[in-house]
Amino acid sequence: SAVISQKPSRDICQRGTSLTIQCQVDSQVTMMFWYRQQPGQSLTLIATANQGSEATYESGFVIDKFPISRPNLTFSTLTVSNMSPEDSSIYLCSVEGTSDNEQFFGPGTRLTVL
Amino acid sequence: QKEVEQDPGPLSVPEGAIVSLNCTYSNSAFQYFMWYRQYSRKGPELLMYTYSSGNKEDGRFTAQVDKSSKYISLFIRDSQPSDSATYLCAMSRAGGYQKVTFGIGTKLQVIP
Repeated sequence: SAVISQKPSRDICQRGTSLTIQCQVDSQVTMMFWYRQQPGQSLTLIATANQGSEATYESGFVIDKFPISRPNLTFSTLTVSNMSPEDSSIYLCSVEGTSDNEQFFGPGTRLTVL
Repeated sequence: QKEVEQDPGPLSVPEGAIVSLNCTYSNSAFQYFMWYRQYSRKGPELLMYTYSSGNKEDGRFTAQVDKSSKYISLFIRDSQPSDSATYLCAMSRAGGYQKVTFGIGTKLQVIP
């Protein structure tokens, strides 16, 4: 399985600011995914990021709020823009595995917005 | 109704017990079924991956899928304190890459 790292591991931010989360993989992967995990809720897919194309966002998530970059096959960033306390969550990146729909997750970024 | 239902627990069992974790789902198109284990302050880790119906065993872990009942289970034999974690079921349709839908996760505590 791929080894995935995320930076920062946690952060406390002020309302109205933005935070960029980095995801680095130790091998080249076509598909990377960004999820949000809020207390008491299931893992929710924010968007799918393929290298060389625009990210595909799920219903309820928009590019202006969660811009994503995917400059190469081992790296992606997710920005949480104009943050509010409702954005407090764990943000996880994942990558495709070798089997259909298999995914491997990074350690997550724990975000608190004051 | 959610596509995937999972009791969030918490579930507390004594060490050595057999643990049964379950999910039900409503989408009959789901073909891939997965179980992830998530320790506190860590990302989910893939435990079991099965396609369609049947059983799959890996050490102390057994995954069962009953598509006729839309019901999946994960059994843990001889549970250990190190099994204390949140277990998430996940599932998806077949046919290239398909979005994975997750359950809310069941928090398990194995008491020494």
